[in-house]
Amino acid sequence: AQKITQTQPGMFVQEKEAVTLDCTYDTSDPSYGLFWYKQPSSGEMIFLIYQGSYDQQNATEGRYSLNFQKARKSANLVISASQLGDSAMYFCAMRGDNAGGTSYGKLTFGQGTILTVHP
Amino acid sequence: GAVVSQHPSWVICKSGTSVKIECRSLDFQATTMFWYRQFPKQSLMLMATSNEGSKATYEQGVEKDKFLINHASLTLSTLTVTSAHPEDSSFYICSAIEAGGQETQYFGPGTRLLVL
Repeated sequence: AQKITQTQPGMFVQEKEAVTLDCTYDTSDPSYGLFWYKQPSSGEMIFLIYQGSYDQQNATEGRYSLNFQKARKSANLVISASQLGDSAMYFCAMRGDNAGGTSYGKLTFGQGTILTVHP
Repeated sequence: GAVVSQHPSWVICKSGTSVKIECRSLDFQATTMFWYRQFPKQSLMLMATSNEGSKATYEQGVEKDKFLINHASLTLSTLTVTSAHPEDSSFYICSAIEAGGQETQYFGPGTRLLVL
């Protein structure tokens, strides 16, 4: 079974500062993918960044970077230079990539972290 | 690219009626689509996996006769909530996998269902 844990129900950050959203995971799959999604109040889920379990380098996408520490089973999202528009709910998710496994292709989501950016 | 649409975005219905929600991949073909349910301020819970041309696979605890899923083409999956009750009121979101690459799931904008 897969499990994603986001221990921060809410985070606050000042505009233009960097913020780290925590995510830890547990899985028995040897191959997996980790995702971060942003969900603004409108409800849509916006894909931010992806990290494969065998990727050697941490993923980066513009102001988003994923601090992947495989041994610690953590996949924290770092948002640099926060903007007011970054205020939203953020979800960490895992996908099992073990073909034939019960988790293959499915996303398991964490509880989410509400990020508020102050001016 | 990788745009997923849902229709309707909002629906209010009377208890006992059925509601159909459409999920479309607009600029790519999706052999697999997923249906999620989300209650306010909670996480997304996977309801079922929809595969084109075959029966949907439901997660444990999800009633297949209650939530009918049809994946009739490579760009369309529908979820029908049959005999809706107030407890079915929720936010329903679909996602689709674009074949190839990282197989990232792209999500639709969601459908808010309110059953009176």
